[in-house]
Amino acid sequence: AQTVTQSQPEMSVQEAETVTLSCTYDTSESNYYLFWYKQPPSRQMILVIRQEAYKQQNATENRFSVNFQKAAKSFSLKISDSQLGDTAMYFCAFMFQGGSEKLVFGKGTKLTVNP
Amino acid sequence: NAGVTQTPKFQVLKTGQSMTLQCAQDMNHEYMSWYRQDPGMGLRLIHYSVGAGITDQGEVPNGYNVSRSTTEDFPLRLLSAAPSQTSVYFCASSYEEGRDTEAFFGQGTRLTVV
Repeated sequence: AQTVTQSQPEMSVQEAETVTLSCTYDTSESNYYLFWYKQPPSRQMILVIRQEAYKQQNATENRFSVNFQKAAKSFSLKISDSQLGDTAMYFCAFMFQGGSEKLVFGKGTKLTVNP
Repeated sequence: NAGVTQTPKFQVLKTGQSMTLQCAQDMNHEYMSWYRQDPGMGLRLIHYSVGAGITDQGEVPNGYNVSRSTTEDFPLRLLSAAPSQTSVYFCASSYEEGRDTEAFFGQGTRLTVV
């Protein structure tokens, strides 16, 4: 069974600074996807970024980028130029290829951006 | 674009009552799932479906039933609510297509069982 571990229950960062959220996972699968979801106080789950395991290049979406280390089974999220609107819970999630009906989530990291 | 629609958004039940959480999607996705979110636990899979007429159990299925009679709808039934089922419930629909692979979530239902 796959497991996803987020070792930082809470983090804080000053506005305009950079923060990195950690995620490790365990799987015997070779082909899979990794995601970071953002959950603001509105409760909505919002996709931040996705990474396909077969791609060595790290995914980037504007101020969000990942450091994907497949051998180490690590998938960290870097948020640059942090904004107050980035305050939210962030969940790392795993989906094996051919199993998009089943996401495995980490327990989440609560990020607070301070003015 | 409606996406995934869940109803109700909030619900209070008494122990032993039954209810159905509704979920509908208009994206023609084959895959649909139900998750529950508890503090400090992330989201855990309750039941899922890979198409109309096909459902299976996830990580925490006890106390819940599902059915999938159409592609669009995937209701979750609580037959006899228990305080341990107090949680936030999310319905999701998903598809897999390479770089566009994604799961879309409803707004969630906050359920309290007293």
